[in-house]
Amino acid sequence: DGGITQSPKYLFRKEGQNVTLSCEQNLNHDAMYWYRQDPGQGLRLIYYSQIVNDFQKGDIAEGYSVSREKKESFPLTVTSAQKNPTAFYLCASSIDPSGGYNEQFFGPGTRLTVL
Amino acid sequence: DAKTTQPNSMESNEEEPVHLPCNHSTISGTDYIHWYRQLPSQGPEYVIHGLTSNVNNRMASLAIAEDRKSSTLILHRATLRDAAVYYCILTENTDKLIFGTGTRLQVFP
Repeated sequence: DGGITQSPKYLFRKEGQNVTLSCEQNLNHDAMYWYRQDPGQGLRLIYYSQIVNDFQKGDIAEGYSVSREKKESFPLTVTSAQKNPTAFYLCASSIDPSGGYNEQFFGPGTRLTVL
Repeated sequence: DAKTTQPNSMESNEEEPVHLPCNHSTISGTDYIHWYRQLPSQGPEYVIHGLTSNVNNRMASLAIAEDRKSSTLILHRATLRDAAVYYCILTENTDKLIFGTGTRLQVFP
């Protein structure tokens, strides 16, 4: 089945530790996105990538880093510089980053809790 | 900032039609209108999108006002599985999505 996988579903980390969230897609999509969602709020864009080896900051990139070495993978690292990392993290992809008319496909999300 | 305005919550009974409104008075000529929905503890799911004309698919219908300053997502017969937060989003020449807080739809049996 084609789709987006995120792992793990739940993640616990101690304050001050970096943590990397996995996102893989087998849809052959060019564009990938990372969002953060806090309770009762909509999603906010952290980073996005339109093509391999290229990515851009979203609205809340501070304290996060990404890489796009392969088309199917877009891991997100939450660094110790992120002041409030506890949140629900969602990865998405779309076939083409331009045009505004392509749907995004979302993964099931990773719920990160920093203790 | 989100460029759309939606009611915080709406209620419906099962098997009744639901009309979810969205205002986007500052919409530009090239903005597409997208609707996504999110069930609890899941990622959002694409519902429908349109530009100027009304659109239908297996999940819902999208009615777009003639001046494009508002739109309505129509669920023809609500089921309990339609209970979710529905987001109305504009996109302009890009697939980036800017989410607001959406409309929480409750469906009663």
